Amino acid sequence: AQTVTQSQPEMSVQEAETVTLSCTYDTSESDYYLFWYKQPPSRQMILVIRQEAYKQQNATENRFSVNFQKAAKSFSLKISDSQLGDAAMYFCAYRPSRSGGYQKVTFGIGTKLQVIP
Amino acid sequence: DAMVIQNPRYQVTQFGKPVTLSCSQTLNHNVMYWYQQKSSQAPKLLFHYYDKDFNNEADTPDNFQSRRPNTSFCFLDIRSPGLGDTAMYLCATSTLLEGSGSYNEQFFGPGTRLTVL
Repeated sequence: AQTVTQSQPEMSVQEAETVTLSCTYDTSESDYYLFWYKQPPSRQMILVIRQEAYKQQNATENRFSVNFQKAAKSFSLKISDSQLGDAAMYFCAYRPSRSGGYQKVTFGIGTKLQVIP
Repeated sequence: DAMVIQNPRYQVTQFGKPVTLSCSQTLNHNVMYWYQQKSSQAPKLLFHYYDKDFNNEADTPDNFQSRRPNTSFCFLDIRSPGLGDTAMYLCATSTLLEGSGSYNEQFFGPGTRLTVL
């Protein structure tokens, strides 16, 4: 069974600084997707960034980038130039990419990010 | 804007009193999901619909049922809520990724926070 581990229950960062959230996962699959979702207080969860395992290049979306280390099964999220609106719960998630039907998403327990003005 | 809507946002019910949570979507996605998210835990998938095809997770209690009368709406029924059912309930939607057979990213609603007294 796949597992996703986020070992940092809470993190804090000074506004305009950079922070890195950690995620490791366990799988026997060779092809899969990894995601970071953001869940602000009392608001819906939204997708921040996605990485396809067969792509060696790390995904980037504006101030958000990932460090994907397939051999180490590590998938960290870097937030540059942190803003107050980045304060949220961040979930790392995994999904196999096998074809032929529904593939379940497995979530980590989340990291709560606080941004200090 | 296309979106996933959940009603009510907050629900309080008494132990054993049936409750229904509602989810609607304007994305015209063919897949709808219900997750349970307890405090400081990862979202846990309860079940999902692919069109009208209902798919229950093996560890979802019989106390939880779902209905999907049409593409836009999906309901979560808790027949006899227990204190342990206090949680955030998240609805999400996705569509089948063309060509691969894999389901695409999920779009989440804001959630319904259920309290069982």
